[in-house]
Amino acid sequence: KNEVEQSPQNLTAQEGEFITINCSYSVGISALHWLQQHPGGGIVSLFMLSSGKKKHGRLIATINIQEKHSSLHITASHPRDSAVYICATSGSARQLTFGSGTQLTVLP
Amino acid sequence: DTEVTQTPKHLVMGMTNKKSLKCEQHMGHRAMYWYKQKAKKPPELMFVYSYEKLSINESVPSRFSPECPNSSLLNLHLHALQPEDSALYLCASSQWGFGNTIYFGEGSWLTVV
Repeated sequence: KNEVEQSPQNLTAQEGEFITINCSYSVGISALHWLQQHPGGGIVSLFMLSSGKKKHGRLIATINIQEKHSSLHITASHPRDSAVYICATSGSARQLTFGSGTQLTVLP
Repeated sequence: DTEVTQTPKHLVMGMTNKKSLKCEQHMGHRAMYWYKQKAKKPPELMFVYSYEKLSINESVPSRFSPECPNSSLLNLHLHALQPEDSALYLCASSQWGFGNTIYFGEGSWLTVV
């Protein structure tokens, strides 16, 4: 059974700081997803990765398949980035295994 | 259109009521999902539909009854719920297969009184 661990659980940053959230998993996967959830409830899919690196605006996601590890980076953080960031993996079971989430607060 | 639409956004129901949550997508996705999320916890999978057929039921109590009337719609019928069923219910959809992007709705906040 795949286990997905995220760190840190909580992160507070000042506006403009560079932020890194880490995710590790225990078994081979077909893809890793980074999701964002605001207090209103809806979840937005930020990235889906199976190898390498992806960039979208100020967000960068990387994955190292050999080390079973992924990172989500936010450059020039802004208070509107405050949300819960969730790492999830998909594999042969066709369903997502979620990490416990990282609560990010960016202070102005 | 990359949207999954859920209604209602908020629902308060008594333990003897019957209500339904609705979910709609027009992305041509053939996999649709119901998740339940309690506060400060990750979502928990309840049901998966593929090509309008129920493919996964994660041992969900029968007071929750899913229905997929067509490829765009997914319903969750609720009957005789308990207060501990109060949660955020999220619908999602994706292409069927491995490693596809999954699109979530805004969720329906359910309170059982």
